[in-house]
Amino acid sequence: DGGITQSPKYLFRKEGQNVTLSCEQNLNHDAMYWYRQDPGQGLRLIYYSQIVNDFQKGDIAEGYSVSREKKESFPLTVTSAQKNPTAFYLCASSSRDSNYGYTFGSGTRLTVV
Amino acid sequence: QKEVEQDPGPLSVPEGAIVSLNCTYSNSAFQYFMWYRQYSRKGPELLMYTYSSGNKEDGRFTAQVDKSSKYISLFIRDSQPSDSATYLCGMDSSYKLIFGSGTRLLVRP
Repeated sequence: DGGITQSPKYLFRKEGQNVTLSCEQNLNHDAMYWYRQDPGQGLRLIYYSQIVNDFQKGDIAEGYSVSREKKESFPLTVTSAQKNPTAFYLCASSSRDSNYGYTFGSGTRLTVV
Repeated sequence: QKEVEQDPGPLSVPEGAIVSLNCTYSNSAFQYFMWYRQYSRKGPELLMYTYSSGNKEDGRFTAQVDKSSKYISLFIRDSQPSDSATYLCGMDSSYKLIFGSGTRLLVRP
């Protein structure tokens, strides 16, 4: 079945550490996205990528970094510069060739300990 | 002012009621409009996707877009307890999807 796989489901980070969240899709979608969701709030865009080897900052990119070396993969690194990283992180992908909107993964819950 | 405004609720209705969820937006460049349902601690799932003004129906769900008023709605007929979730509106232009803050819906048996 086609879809988006995020791993791990739960992640714990110590203060000052960098951590990388994985996102893989087999939908052949061109565009991929990372969102952050805080409790009781909507989704805020961190980074997005329309094609391989290219990406743009979203509304809250500070303290995060991404890469897009392959069409299928869009990993997100939460750096030590991100002062409040505890949140639910969602990865999504989309294609203009379909009428199916954006497809989301099941999310990674990151907690700073 | 946020680009997309959505009443956070919570909205509590009895089973069988018609539910109306709404979003307003300020960016006239938005071309694609979506509604997502999100259960607690899960990723959002797409309910409706449209790119033109007017109504689109799918089972118990109807999405309505009024571009002249910059207003979109989602109607749920014969609401069920299983519809209890957070509903997010999303709007897209140029490969960038912006969400409202979500409305929490509770359907009471």
